[in-house]
Amino acid sequence: AQSVTQLDSQVPVFEEAPVELRCNYSSSVSVYLFWYVQYPNQGLQLLLKYLSGSTLVKGINGFEAEFNKSQTSFHLRKPSVHISDTAEYFCAVSEGQGGKLIFGQGTELSVKP
Amino acid sequence: DAGVIQSPRHEVTEMGQEVTLRCKPISGHDYLFWYRQTMMRGLELLIYFNNNVPIDDSGMPEDRFSAKMPNASFSTLKIQPSEPRDSAVYFCASSLRPGAITEAFFGQGTRLTVV
Repeated sequence: AQSVTQLDSQVPVFEEAPVELRCNYSSSVSVYLFWYVQYPNQGLQLLLKYLSGSTLVKGINGFEAEFNKSQTSFHLRKPSVHISDTAEYFCAVSEGQGGKLIFGQGTELSVKP
Repeated sequence: DAGVIQSPRHEVTEMGQEVTLRCKPISGHDYLFWYRQTMMRGLELLIYFNNNVPIDDSGMPEDRFSAKMPNASFSTLKIQPSEPRDSAVYFCASSLRPGAITEAFFGQGTRLTVV
């Protein structure tokens, strides 16, 4: 069975600092990996996804993530965060095209001035 | 397309009452998902449909919960009778059929409070 672990429940950072949100997954087959962002009182919005090909994936709002198969990780990074990046971030895994998405517990990113 | 549309946005009901949450997926999407979000348990997949057929309902917490998809443009999640522990935000999401990019588009959610 597939599962997703987000190692940090809360990440406080100062504006313009770099940030990394960690995600590890477990699965016995090839997977598709996603990062979603949830702003307060909003639904989830896709940031980026890895389906195949290059292991470095670029998404919206300057975020990127790197797929590491040997370490079963898909960490999210941004070189310089803004106040507006304050939100909750979810890592998700899917074992099939159109199959169900399993989410991690979420990481609350808090950007301080 | 207006995206995934959920109604109502907020629902407050008394314990024991029936609650029905509604979802209209994006036109052309063949998969529909119902998720529940709570502080304690995070985002849990309750059930998902493919072409209006329930594929996996193993996440439905108990018999008080039921979901239907009578056609490609409408789904309901019903709780009867409701209990305070059902209080949560319920999200509906839809995605394209297999062979296409598997990204799910989420609605704004329904915040359910059972008092």
